[in-house]
Amino acid sequence: QKEVEQDPGPLSVPEGAIVSLNCTYSNSAFQYFMWYRQYSRKGPELLMYTYSSGNKEDGRFTAQVDKSSKYISLFIRDSQPSDSATYLCATRDRGSTLGRLYFGRGTQLTVWP
Amino acid sequence: DAMVIQNPRYQVTQFGKPVTLSCSQTLNHNVMYWYQQKSSQAPKLLFHYYDKDFNNEADTPDNFQSRRPNTSFCFLDIRSPGLGDAAMYLCATSSGTQETQYFGPGTRLLVL
Repeated sequence: QKEVEQDPGPLSVPEGAIVSLNCTYSNSAFQYFMWYRQYSRKGPELLMYTYSSGNKEDGRFTAQVDKSSKYISLFIRDSQPSDSATYLCATRDRGSTLGRLYFGRGTQLTVWP
Repeated sequence: DAMVIQNPRYQVTQFGKPVTLSCSQTLNHNVMYWYQQKSSQAPKLLFHYYDKDFNNEADTPDNFQSRRPNTSFCFLDIRSPGLGDAAMYLCATSSGTQETQYFGPGTRLLVL
């Protein structure tokens, strides 16, 4: 079983739609959760960073963590064509001295006008 | 702006011909990472440096080496590239192993 599972999509939605992206993870020691956005042929860009369970909102983006079910989500409200990218979830444990991030394989999102 | 820079952005090499990829950072971060990312796959950590301390992932092939001559620069050397090494190579930095990682734009390697 992989440490982090993420449906690769592709996901295609019209402009203005609410997008829900999800990952599951297997290790209960994971405490830090991240979402990266990666445009085609570019490096990942940090979008959201959360610690433990709960919600975090930043503009049109909301990150949600449910540690009881080992489930993490990213919601995008009022989606725009510029949101078209691959979204990678990532996580790590608190005690890691190596700083290793465990990534999902990414979900490819297309928002059409 | 403080940033992570990778050169070149695209690299074409021949099967078995050594190649070096470069990463530099103006963030003055202690930790630098190299990841390999193949199409539609998650980035895979190859190794990282904490200052001058080198940490190799157990499953990183011996064909991959790294150098960090100073805080700002880190190099990835592929001694004998195979067709399976064609991928995007990502450099990332962080101020500590417990901190957020910031990625460069990547170098796309093609092996002919």
